[in-house]
Amino acid sequence: GDSVTQMEGPVTLSEEAFLTINCTYTATGYPSLFWYVQYPGEGLQLLLKATKADDKGSNKGFEATYRKETTSFHLEKGSVQVSDSAVYFCALSGDKAAGNKLTFGGGTRVLVKP
Amino acid sequence: GAVVSQHPSWVICKSGTSVKIECRSLDFQATTMFWYRQFPKQSLMLMATSNEGSKATYEQGVEKDKFLINHASLTLSTLTVTSAHPEDSSFYICSAGLTSGPRYEQYFGPGTRLTVT
Repeated sequence: GDSVTQMEGPVTLSEEAFLTINCTYTATGYPSLFWYVQYPGEGLQLLLKATKADDKGSNKGFEATYRKETTSFHLEKGSVQVSDSAVYFCALSGDKAAGNKLTFGGGTRVLVKP
Repeated sequence: GAVVSQHPSWVICKSGTSVKIECRSLDFQATTMFWYRQFPKQSLMLMATSNEGSKATYEQGVEKDKFLINHASLTLSTLTVTSAHPEDSSFYICSAGLTSGPRYEQYFGPGTRLTVT
């Protein structure tokens, strides 16, 4: 079945540092890929997405590129802020035949210190 | 647009009682809604897919008689935890699916924290 693997946290870094969170996947067909962010005590918010190979999703300074050859969708941000402290989830979506189900990675907690 | 709400945002109930959680799509119609469970510091686990007008589809290992799902309308799905026990304490999150042209996306509610004492 489909699966998503992302680096375990917590990741602790200083403000303005460069952030990378690795995400790799296994899936049949051509899934869409997502990054969601969860702030403390809240639900999930879509951060960015990519629907086909070589697409780059971007939002709020975060970027991720759909790499089919390496089955990866790594999240990057060039200069993090304290407000970026959250848990980040990589996910893939199966197609309609698969019920459009989302499969999530384990989540990576990021803590940005001033 | 594409806002999903959940009610209540948190609930405390006694062991043996039942509790109902509502999930609403506020500005769109959703034929499919999803229910997830999240344990502390862990990822989301899909519990079931709720389809308007038909029975929910439960994931393997999820007790359908314990977690009753009703998708009564295109904007409302409910999850009832029956005969709750402390091990049912968790963060329950719903999402609603929206198709726009060729794209399909799930929009998430803010979650409901259930504590069973």
